[in-house]
Amino acid sequence: GESVGLHLPTLSVQEGDNSIINCAYSNSASDYFIWYKQESGKGPQFIIDIRSNMDKRQGQRVTVLLNKTVKHLSLQIAATQPGDSAVYFCAAVGEGGSYIPTFGRGTSLIVHP
Amino acid sequence: SQTIHQWPATLVQPVGSPLSLECTVEGTSNPNLYWYRQAAGRGLQLLFYSVGIGQISSEVPQNLSASRPQDRQFILSSKKLLLSDSGFYLCARKSAGYEQYFGPGTRLTVT
Repeated sequence: GESVGLHLPTLSVQEGDNSIINCAYSNSASDYFIWYKQESGKGPQFIIDIRSNMDKRQGQRVTVLLNKTVKHLSLQIAATQPGDSAVYFCAAVGEGGSYIPTFGRGTSLIVHP
Repeated sequence: SQTIHQWPATLVQPVGSPLSLECTVEGTSNPNLYWYRQAAGRGLQLLFYSVGIGQISSEVPQNLSASRPQDRQFILSSKKLLLSDSGFYLCARKSAGYEQYFGPGTRLTVT
């Protein structure tokens, strides 16, 4: 079955630095990848997504890169701010009608002022 | 609106007691709905999902059950709670695309 993992459980950065959060997936049939942000005590919130036929997608201060060859995706946050401190999850969605995502364990991003 | 309501927000229950968590969603009809559990410092574990009224699929064997009595209502239940049932329970709905919208969650502590 699908498994999704993250390389680092915790990432500490200084305010203003760029952050890179990595994620690996196992199912090459995954069609869609999503990044979520979860602040303490709240439900996850959608950040950005990317389809398997793309290798890069940019949002506001965030960029997702997808490397299908090595089954790896990353979330880049530019000019990280204290408000970016949260746990970030990647999720992979395979083909089919149930739309069941597989979530990674999460990376805790800590931004130091 | 894609608002998801969950209640209660927090709950402390003794071992062996019953459980009922409710989730209601706003927005389009016949949404795909999901129940997740998140243990402290852990990722999201899918418990149940539903593609329509009365249609429930279970992802993991456990002492929990789910029901969908109405189109926009999803209920998580247990007859007898275990200590291992403690966690943060999240209800979610599928968007028009592939991403999910999550509710505010219920923090359950079983003592």
